[in-house]
Amino acid sequence: KAGVTQTPRYLIKTRGQQVTLSCSPISGHRSVSWYQQTPGQGLQFLFEYFSETQRNKGNFPGRFSGRQFSNSRSEMNVSTLELGDSALYLCASSSDRKGADTQYFGPGTRLTVL
Amino acid sequence: AQSVTQLGSHVSVSEGALVLLRCNYSSSVPPYLFWYVQYPNQGLQLLLKYTSAATLVKGINGFEAEFKKSETSFHLTKPSAHMSDAAEYFCAVSEGSGGSYIPTFGRGTSLIVHP
Repeated sequence: KAGVTQTPRYLIKTRGQQVTLSCSPISGHRSVSWYQQTPGQGLQFLFEYFSETQRNKGNFPGRFSGRQFSNSRSEMNVSTLELGDSALYLCASSSDRKGADTQYFGPGTRLTVL
Repeated sequence: AQSVTQLGSHVSVSEGALVLLRCNYSSSVPPYLFWYVQYPNQGLQLLLKYTSAATLVKGINGFEAEFKKSETSFHLTKPSAHMSDAAEYFCAVSEGSGGSYIPTFGRGTSLIVHP
């Protein structure tokens, strides 16, 4: 079974631009979560989608948004990029999110904002 | 509310020595607990998880962890370190029934293995 894939793997943008990251979950998984990982803040939860609906949201500004398609693929968008948005963005999928379910992580997208 | 504290941002051991990575948690409901490993330029990989069954949990690559409710701890151990174990390790907690089940991650512990 193929793992979680994320595209692109690396991205360089300038301040003020917007960016869209993509995540394809493991086949059959309906839950997709997004995380931001930085040296200063560690791993922080962005949001979770389940069956095309945002089920949970972390404490991030409205510039961060996402969506999930009927095939469970998910995208996240960051508008008006700031230098502080430079991070590794990780996507994780699971069959469902009830605490005990194992999350399978993708390799991440490394975003650099100049 | 839930939180995780990983004691020691860096742990250094010699190859063949015992590995002990510490994790303490707080949770208002019975927790689910996880250890993940992250190699450079990769995502997180689950090592093991505790979901209220056996308190001693065995994971991949020879790692195990013991859930101690009285100490609110879930320390990760491995009897004999290998060079390939050098990586970043994350402890995470999510709340079970009645909780939010959104996982909270610790800040991570970098394991350094010396030959």
